[in-house]
Amino acid sequence: AQSVTQPDIHITVSEGASLELRCNYSYGATPYLFWYVQSPGQGLQLLLKYFSGDTLVQGIKGFEAEFKRSQSSFNLRKPSVHWSDAAEYFCAVVASGDTGFQKLVFGTGTRLLVSP
Amino acid sequence: DGGITQSPKYLFRKEGQNVTLSCEQNLNHDAMYWYRQDPGQGLRLIYYSQIVNDFQKGDIAEGYSVSREKKESFPLTVTSAQKNPTAFYLCASSRSPSKEAFFGQGTRLTVV
Repeated sequence: AQSVTQPDIHITVSEGASLELRCNYSYGATPYLFWYVQSPGQGLQLLLKYFSGDTLVQGIKGFEAEFKRSQSSFNLRKPSVHWSDAAEYFCAVVASGDTGFQKLVFGTGTRLLVSP
Repeated sequence: DGGITQSPKYLFRKEGQNVTLSCEQNLNHDAMYWYRQDPGQGLRLIYYSQIVNDFQKGDIAEGYSVSREKKESFPLTVTSAQKNPTAFYLCASSRSPSKEAFFGQGTRLTVV
């Protein structure tokens, strides 16, 4: 079955430092991939998406992600982290259910802490 | 403004009661989803619907039921059969299952 793995439960980054959040997927064909961000007690907001084409995808809030088929990865990056980036980040992939219907499957999330 | 509205924001349920969580969207999306979120477990899919009058079980459907009588609405009922219903519930919709999903602000359900 298709799945997404986010190996880091927590990451702490100093304000102004660069950030990379890891995401690995399991999918036979070209996947549809997403990164979402969630502030405490809120819904999820889409940061960026990959469907096909250019493997480096730009998103909102200065985030970008790179699709690497050879590594089955879709890591999220930001060159300089701001204190307001502290949140939980989820990677997701479109997968096929048992009946053939497509559904969105999420990783377990990575909580980003930003230190002064 | 277009979006997804979940209500109520907070809900308290007594043991043995059924409760229904509301989810309405005015984005004209065909696909809708219900997720459950528990600390450290990410989002787990309860039910999803690709079109009106059709829905599929997700990974943790036991103790839950849904209906999709209208395109805009996808209510979730948490039944007394759900043994551990205290959680944060998120509703989402998308134009199609292969497109990005948009989320509501969630309902926090607590059993008292």
